[in-house]
Amino acid sequence: GAGVSQSPSNKVTEKGKDVELRCDPISGHTALYWYRQSLGQGLEFLIYFQGNSAPDKSGLPSDRFSAERTGGSVSTLTIQRTQQEDSAVYLCASSPQRGQQETQYFGPGTRLLVL
Amino acid sequence: SQQGEEDPQALSIQEGENATMNCSYKTSINNLQWYRQNSGRGLVHLILIRSNEREKHSGRLRVTLDTSKKSSSLLITASRAADTASYFCATDAYTGGGNKLTFGTGTQLKVEL
Repeated sequence: GAGVSQSPSNKVTEKGKDVELRCDPISGHTALYWYRQSLGQGLEFLIYFQGNSAPDKSGLPSDRFSAERTGGSVSTLTIQRTQQEDSAVYLCASSPQRGQQETQYFGPGTRLLVL
Repeated sequence: SQQGEEDPQALSIQEGENATMNCSYKTSINNLQWYRQNSGRGLVHLILIRSNEREKHSGRLRVTLDTSKKSSSLLITASRAADTASYFCATDAYTGGGNKLTFGTGTQLKVEL
């Protein structure tokens, strides 16, 4: 079946503009995660969704970042008033079930460049 | 914050040689996972080792876990040019809030012909 997909694959924006990044998880996966990877660095956890539960937003770096997941499937990560330090690759991952020792399946990422 | 620290940061070897990467972490874990990343994009899961396991094999991969030292190693045997990539360890410290992974900074492996 299809893997995790993300769009757009690349996004160039001007400082101060808002951007929306989209993630389509693997069908049937109930858990969805957003990570950020700055150049040459490891991944930084941002936010986690599990079913209809309240999301774990503990990794969001500022209130300019928000995410939603509609219908337990597609998720959108929104960055308002973008700053140059927001430039990074934003990766989405999904996994089948909460509470299990599951691997995460990653999408190809969205490369964001804020000028 | 990054829990895992990989060592070395970069490794260059000849095709056919073995590559060993190490990972250290700080807190108790449920499992530790290794991922590979090509060209700075999506990650591919390689192997998962649970906290009660000490060694695991998958093809040319061998992973060890020492929870007393809070460390893990990934061995790639008989390396190939296609193994050139960045390798990350990630720890899963599930506490009821989801299996959010904490990633290390990665080892860049280059396998030369």
